[in-house]
Amino acid sequence: QKEVEQDPGPLSVPEGAIVSLNCTYSNSAFQYFMWYRQYSRKGPELLMYTYSSGNKEDGRFTAQVDKSSKYISLFIRDSQPSDSATYLCAMSADRRGAGNNRKLIWGLGTSLAVNP
Amino acid sequence: EPEVTQTPSHQVTQMGQEVILRCVPISNHLYFYWYRQILGQKVEFLVSFYNNEISEKSEIFDDQFSVERPDGSNFTLKIRSTKLEDSAMYFCASSLTSDKVNEQFFGPGTRLTVL
Repeated sequence: QKEVEQDPGPLSVPEGAIVSLNCTYSNSAFQYFMWYRQYSRKGPELLMYTYSSGNKEDGRFTAQVDKSSKYISLFIRDSQPSDSATYLCAMSADRRGAGNNRKLIWGLGTSLAVNP
Repeated sequence: EPEVTQTPSHQVTQMGQEVILRCVPISNHLYFYWYRQILGQKVEFLVSFYNNEISEKSEIFDDQFSVERPDGSNFTLKIRSTKLEDSAMYFCASSLTSDKVNEQFFGPGTRLTVL
């Protein structure tokens, strides 16, 4: 089983829609969960960062983590054409020692298009 | 707003040649990373670096790869003898210590093309 799975889409929605993006994972040691946005030919941009389970809200974005189901979600409210990008989930284990380094394990990314 | 920078943006090289990819992490960050993304594939971890030494490396990061922090600002990735399969986007990232250690901020990437 792949460590992190993410539907690549593409996902196309009208402007103003609520967008739901999600990832599943298999490694129960994952404790840190991130969502990155990547525009074409650019580096990933950190959107949301969550430790362990629960919800986190930042403006139009809400991240949810359900560790019992090994499932994470990103919701985008009132989606805008500028939200059109690829959204990548990334996660890492809570690994102490070695300088607290935590390598990120990534999903494939979901391509989102928000149409005016 | 501070950001990670990378040079060059695009590097074209012949198979077997050495390349050096350069990164300037965010100035107060202590942890540094290289990742790569082959076209159409997932982002893959290569190596992490802390306190002037490698703290973890992946299976991809073999003897052909090396990293260095030659001064207080630059962080480099060297590929000694490039292969066709090294063609990818290479991303540098950096992060702070303690609770913020896993908020990794990425540079714009270097597109490496090996011919």
